[in-house]
Amino acid sequence: GAGVSQSPSNKVTEKGKDVELRCDPISGHTALYWYRQSLGQGLEFLIYFQGNSAPDKSGLPSDRFSAERTGGSVSTLTIQRTQQEDSAVYLCASSFVRGGTGELFFGEGSRLTVL
Amino acid sequence: GENVEQHPSTLSVQEGDSAVIKCTYSDSASNYFPWYKQELGKRPQLIIDIRSNVGEKKDQRIAVTLNKTAKHFSLHITETQPEDSAVYFCAASAGRRALTFGSGTRLQVQP
Repeated sequence: GAGVSQSPSNKVTEKGKDVELRCDPISGHTALYWYRQSLGQGLEFLIYFQGNSAPDKSGLPSDRFSAERTGGSVSTLTIQRTQQEDSAVYLCASSFVRGGTGELFFGEGSRLTVL
Repeated sequence: GENVEQHPSTLSVQEGDSAVIKCTYSDSASNYFPWYKQELGKRPQLIIDIRSNVGEKKDQRIAVTLNKTAKHFSLHITETQPEDSAVYFCAASAGRRALTFGSGTRLQVQP
């Protein structure tokens, strides 16, 4: 497909376990974002990758959260030792940046539930 | 970093009335201001955006205004319809920096 693809769509895990969430951006998009959305809440910025620049990690809530983007394409968000407050929908978005920010195209999200 | 504040958090209007959502931002270097609409259970989608070289932009029933001096921008929806019911997010960014979103406004259009 031509859109942003995220997997898994749903993940239920036990407190203390590690989880990996995957994002496959639109081909050719240079920027990739991760946001977190708790139930009925806003879009909390987590991390931003833009081309070959160092990622902006200023939104990561703790050192249990990390992300990488391999080959300028697929990204993985890893949450170690999950806590119940990590339960949320994790949204990935990509955009084509030329000069300035472009339209963000969001994936369907990965719903994480930590029991 | 950038901080975007959005008001109101909820807004209820009668069908056919206008709706206005307001946002302020903190970083004077911000030059890109998009608005996203998120319907229930769906992903956010861009509905309109404005760059700092213009003060107003319209697209059919929606318009966005920007006041760079006061560092605020607004979304105006005229002749609201039930399908306009959704959560609306404003956002701001400077250059190639990350996009920062406001907290969202839940708009309900009463038929």
